[in-house]
Amino acid sequence: GEDVEQSLFLSVREGDSSVINCTYTDSSSTYLYWYKQEPGAGLQLLTYIFSNMDMKQDQRLTVLLNKKDKHLSLRIADTQTGDSAIYFCADPSEGNTPLVFGKGTRLSVIA
Amino acid sequence: DTAVSQTPKYLVTQMGNDKSIKCEQNLGHDTMYWYKQDSKKFLKIMFSYNNKELIINETVPNRFSPKSPDKAHLNLHINSLELGDSAVYFCASSSYPRQGYAEAFFGQGTRLTVV
Repeated sequence: GEDVEQSLFLSVREGDSSVINCTYTDSSSTYLYWYKQEPGAGLQLLTYIFSNMDMKQDQRLTVLLNKKDKHLSLRIADTQTGDSAIYFCADPSEGNTPLVFGKGTRLSVIA
Repeated sequence: DTAVSQTPKYLVTQMGNDKSIKCEQNLGHDTMYWYKQDSKKFLKIMFSYNNKELIINETVPNRFSPKSPDKAHLNLHINSLELGDSAVYFCASSSYPRQGYAEAFFGQGTRLTVV
């Protein structure tokens, strides 16, 4: 089955850039997703990338996709304390649904 | 308006009891899911329903039984609760993928504690 891997923790200073990495095994997906989970809340879609793109920029967020290496990353520029959350990489199983989530990266932003 | 709503938000119960968690979505989606998030925040799919039919049933004990009375509802019933069932359970919904895109919308979660 599909496997999605992420590092579990990342700590950055306010104002710095954060880079969260993810690797996946299923290469048939049309889209790959990043979800954000704030404390005590459900997951919310943060951004996504179409599989024929290698980069997508959305304000402070940059998603990079390396299909050859099956590597996805999320860069947050000018990281703020409000960005502290758990970030999940998600890949649809067998290119469809449901989403298979990585273990989540807990981002801590130090003021 | 809440898109995906779960009740209750918190559930504390004793081992051996039977309990249900309810989920409703008002987004007009035809696919609904139950995910389990453990204490380490790992999120795993449990069940997936499409148009009231069970599509995916991962390796979940048969003490867990989902029920979908209609496309907008997917309830989760758990029999003979065990300590290891303690977790946060998330309901989610999505439309059928269009050109491969299907955003999943999540409820706020139900924190189940078995004592």
